[in-house]
Amino acid sequence: GIQVEQSPPDLILQEGANSTLRCNFSDSVNNLQWFHQNPWGQLINLFYIPSGTKQNGRLSATTVATERYSLLYISSSQTTDSGVYFCAVETGSSGSARQLTFGSGTQLTVLP
Amino acid sequence: NAGVTQTPKFQVLKTGQSMTLQCAQDMNHEYMSWYRQDPGMGLRLIHYSVGAGITDQGEVPNGYNVSRSTTEDFPLRLLSAAPSQTSVYFCASSYAGTGDSPLHFGNGTRLTVT
Repeated sequence: GIQVEQSPPDLILQEGANSTLRCNFSDSVNNLQWFHQNPWGQLINLFYIPSGTKQNGRLSATTVATERYSLLYISSSQTTDSGVYFCAVETGSSGSARQLTFGSGTQLTVLP
Repeated sequence: NAGVTQTPKFQVLKTGQSMTLQCAQDMNHEYMSWYRQDPGMGLRLIHYSVGAGITDQGEVPNGYNVSRSTTEDFPLRLLSAAPSQTSVYFCASSYAGTGDSPLHFGNGTRLTVT
């Protein structure tokens, strides 16, 4: 099956710093999503981004599907950004099912 | 708007017991799915459904059953619990068609099998 690799596995930042998280995938995908799992375990969808660039406040994401990677940018990080960031890619027949394969995540810790 | 609701939040079972994890969504999403999350790993797909009456297996379906009798509900049944099923279980839903269809997760059920 498809392989999804995220880097770095762990990242520690000082509040206010910027960071880039990377997601590489081994095969063609229908789309890609980024999620944030907060310290209480809740999973929040950040971006649905099969290609191109999207921005939402201090977060932005870029997916280059032809080169099989996606990047998540966090600017001016805050302690509330701490948690695990997952990317997930969708395979399967487009429009007929959503079979997401998740990476192992990047554990982000933002220090005050 | 409740979104995706999972019950219970926590459960402890003895080996061999059975139970049902409940999942309900109020967004009229066609697609629903169950994932399990184990320490240090991402989420792995157990079963999914693209509409009432239609279910299919994901990556790790053994030991679990599902049914989808209504659009809103997608229960996950453990027939005979095993310690290897100790995990955090997440239910998720989204629209099934093409286009912008982000996946919405419930808050999870933490299951311990002793």
